[in-house]
Parts: sequence; C-alpha cells; structure tokens
Amino acid sequence: GAVVSQHPSRVICKSGTSVKIECRSLDFQATTMFWYRQFPKQSLMLMATSNEGSKATYEQGVEKDKFLINHASLTLSTLTVTSAHPEDSSFYICSAPGTGLISTEAFFGQGTRLTVV
Amino acid sequence: AQSVAQPEDQVNVAEGNPLTVKCTYSVSGNPYLFWYVQYPNRGLQFLLKYITGDNLVKGSYGFEAEFNKSQTSFHLKKPSALVSDSALYFCAVRAAFTSGNTPLVFGKGTRLSVIA
Repeated sequence: GAVVSQHPSRVICKSGTSVKIECRSLDFQATTMFWYRQFPKQSLMLMATSNEGSKATYEQGVEKDKFLINHASLTLSTLTVTSAHPEDSSFYICSAPGTGLISTEAFFGQGTRLTVV
Repeated sequence: AQSVAQPEDQVNVAEGNPLTVKCTYSVSGNPYLFWYVQYPNRGLQFLLKYITGDNLVKGSYGFEAEFNKSQTSFHLKKPSALVSDSALYFCAVRAAFTSGNTPLVFGKGTRLSVIA
C-alpha cells in the first residue's frame, strides 16, 4: 500500500533555532501534502496544504513566515519551523491523498514530536 | 462547512465486551467517512471508510462501522474488545466527489481504554 515516511520522529531543539521536517511518499507521487498540528489530547488541526511546484496554502491564523513549506518534487514535502519557540512544541503530521484507485484515501506520516527548550 | 462530532472524550470497556465509539457528521451532500486509530507518538492508521454501497463497512482488526444517513452517524464498533485496541480514535469526513486534494475534517478524537 501507499506509504508516507516522515522524519525525524522526534526532535528537541533550542529556542531560536530552526527545524526541518520531511515527508516522502515512497511508492506513489504526492502532488499534494497536508500538514497538521496536534496538541495534547486534541484533534488534528490543518496548518497548510502544499502543492508540488507552487506556493503552499495556509489556514487562517498560521504564520507562513514561521512555518515554511516546500514541495519541490512529487515525492518530497518539507515543513521548516523557523525561530522556534516553546509554544511551537507540538506533534506535527503530514498526509498525502492517494491517487488512482485509492484516491479516496489519505495516508499519514508517522508524525514528528517537536520539543523546543 | 464540514464538521465531525465525537461526543465522548473517553470510552472504557472491559476486555471481551463489545465497544462502540460514536461519530456524527455534517457535510453538504453525501459524505466520505473514515475512521483512523492513533497510538502514542505515532501517525494515524487507517481502519475503514465508507464511500458508497453497503451501509455496514468492515475494516481492519475486526472493526466495523455503520453509516446511518438519517442520523448522520458513522459509529465505530467491535464485537469483542482487546486490550491492544486501547488507543485514540478519530472519525473524519469530506464531501463526496471532492478530489483527494480536499483535506479531511477530523473529530476531536475518542480515547478508548480496554481493561483486562
């Protein structure tokens, strides 16, 4: 089946530094990647939608200059948290829609636990 | 606008007993409905989906869900719970015939605890 590989699974960084999270579609082409953020004991909140070769679309209230998204190829999308602060600590998950016969499904990465100290 | 309600934050059930995790939805037109399970510090794993056809959908690990259009519900069920079923369960929806480039809308999740 379709697999989305997300790395790193866990990262601790110092306040003020930047962190890059990668999501790769391993056996299918992902023209679109959704980036979600999940707070403890809460649901997934859509942050932005990235499309290969074009600018990402951000949800209301999400700072585009803080959460940089790049989707340079059909198999790789990245989220960079710039100048991270402790309030950015969260669980980040990417998701890509299936294609063809599995176009009704969405496939999720394993998630990244970001802790900013 | 689409929305999903999972009215229970927590469901506790004894091992071997049947379990139900509730979900109701709101969407314009017909829905595509999904259930996902999340284990600690992991991404979401697909359990089952309703797209069209039979209202009773069978999925992974013995789970099933029944689509009820009149009640706009899609409750997740399992006849006999296992301790290993303990996890966080999410119901999700998007409008039918929208492309896969339309993101899912998730409920807030229900934590299932199966007690031995």
